[in-house]
Amino acid sequence: DGGITQSPKYLFRKEGQNVTLSCEQNLNHDAMYWYRQDPGQGLRLIYYSQIVNDFQKGDIAEGYSVSREKKESFPLTVTSAQKNPTAFYLCASSPQQGSGSNQPQHFGDGTRLSIL
Amino acid sequence: GQQLNQSPQSMFIQEGEDVSMNCTSSSIFNTWLWYKQEPGEGPVLLIALYKAGELTSNGRLTAQFGITRKDSFLNISASIPSDVGIYFCAGRNSGGSNYKLTFGKGTLLTVNP
Repeated sequence: DGGITQSPKYLFRKEGQNVTLSCEQNLNHDAMYWYRQDPGQGLRLIYYSQIVNDFQKGDIAEGYSVSREKKESFPLTVTSAQKNPTAFYLCASSPQQGSGSNQPQHFGDGTRLSIL
Repeated sequence: GQQLNQSPQSMFIQEGEDVSMNCTSSSIFNTWLWYKQEPGEGPVLLIALYKAGELTSNGRLTAQFGITRKDSFLNISASIPSDVGIYFCAGRNSGGSNYKLTFGKGTLLTVNP
């Protein structure tokens, strides 16, 4: 089945440690996104990528890093510089936006990150 | 930045009742999307709206793109227990890069059987 797979489902981070969240899609979508969700809040954009080997900061990029070496993969690293990393992280993808397409974003099932 | 106000924050209703929630924006959008999120899962797209005035249905769900392009509503008719979840609106700006979605804070819906 086509879809977006995020792993792991749950992740624990120790103080001072970097952790990487995986996001893989087999929808052949060009654009991929990472969001952070906190209780009672809407989704906030961390990073997005419209094409392989290119990505841009979203609204809350500080303390995070990404890479886009393959079309189907967009891993997110939560670095030790992110002082409040406990949240639900959602990955999304959509067809190419640059052509003017208004195709909606589709989401994975998320990774819940907690601090030990 | 853009602000998107979604209301109500939460609703507690009886099974069979109709539900209405809405979103208003401080700026014009060219796309409105409605998502539903269940606990521990990612949001699932319910309805996408692309034209001002557009009224679209998906089963018991109906959503409209406001004429002013600054608002949208979602109605659920004859609610059932499985409608429980958080409903999010999201809008895409008409200007500049059209990749970015702005999300509302969600409406938590509880349905009492």
